[in-house]
Amino acid sequence: GQNIDQPTEMTATEGAIVQINCTYQTSGFNGLFWYQQHAGEAPTFLSYNVLDGLEEKGRFSSFLSRSKGYSYLLLKELQMKDSASYLCAVRVNSGAGSYQLTFGKGTKLSVIP
Amino acid sequence: DVKVTQSSRYLVKRTGEKVFLECVQDMDHENMFWYRQDPGLGLRLIYFSYDVKMKEKGDIPEGYSVSREKKERFSLILESASTNQTSMYLCASSSLLRTGTYEQYFGPGTRLTVT
Repeated sequence: GQNIDQPTEMTATEGAIVQINCTYQTSGFNGLFWYQQHAGEAPTFLSYNVLDGLEEKGRFSSFLSRSKGYSYLLLKELQMKDSASYLCAVRVNSGAGSYQLTFGKGTKLSVIP
Repeated sequence: DVKVTQSSRYLVKRTGEKVFLECVQDMDHENMFWYRQDPGLGLRLIYFSYDVKMKEKGDIPEGYSVSREKKERFSLILESASTNQTSMYLCASSSLLRTGTYEQYFGPGTRLTVT
């Protein structure tokens, strides 16, 4: 089966930098996604890593180490609107010729003034 | 612009009722997914489909069935609703290819309450 761990909650100050970690144990790894979900809304795609290293997209960056089963999402210059849950998800090849995502339980980030 | 729609935002049903949740996507995606999301448990996959009339069980299929008669539409069916099926239900779709980003796009969710 798949196992994905991430912290339940984090708090950070507006303007600061925060790193949200995700560790996983899985078979058939085919990429790692980060999603953002504001309260009461659907998840929206943030980033995707399939090779080791850092992917940067504006204020958000995501890192992957496949050998360590580890990823992190880095948020810079935090804004109040970044208060949300951040979901780590691993894509695995299913036996059906397609793939599926397994999600972690999410990290609720609170940005304070 | 990518769009996934779900038939209802809020739904209240009684125990034992048959419940249909509908999802429609307009992106010509092959893959469609049904999840439920509960506090402390995160998003869990119920069923997915990678083609018309094809379905695969996810992690928690018990008590649910699905139907995919047309490419754009994926229905989740609760044959006899129970209180432990009270949850937020999210539909998603994505392209079939297993490489590349091809992220999942989510609908707005249906909050189902079974009394």
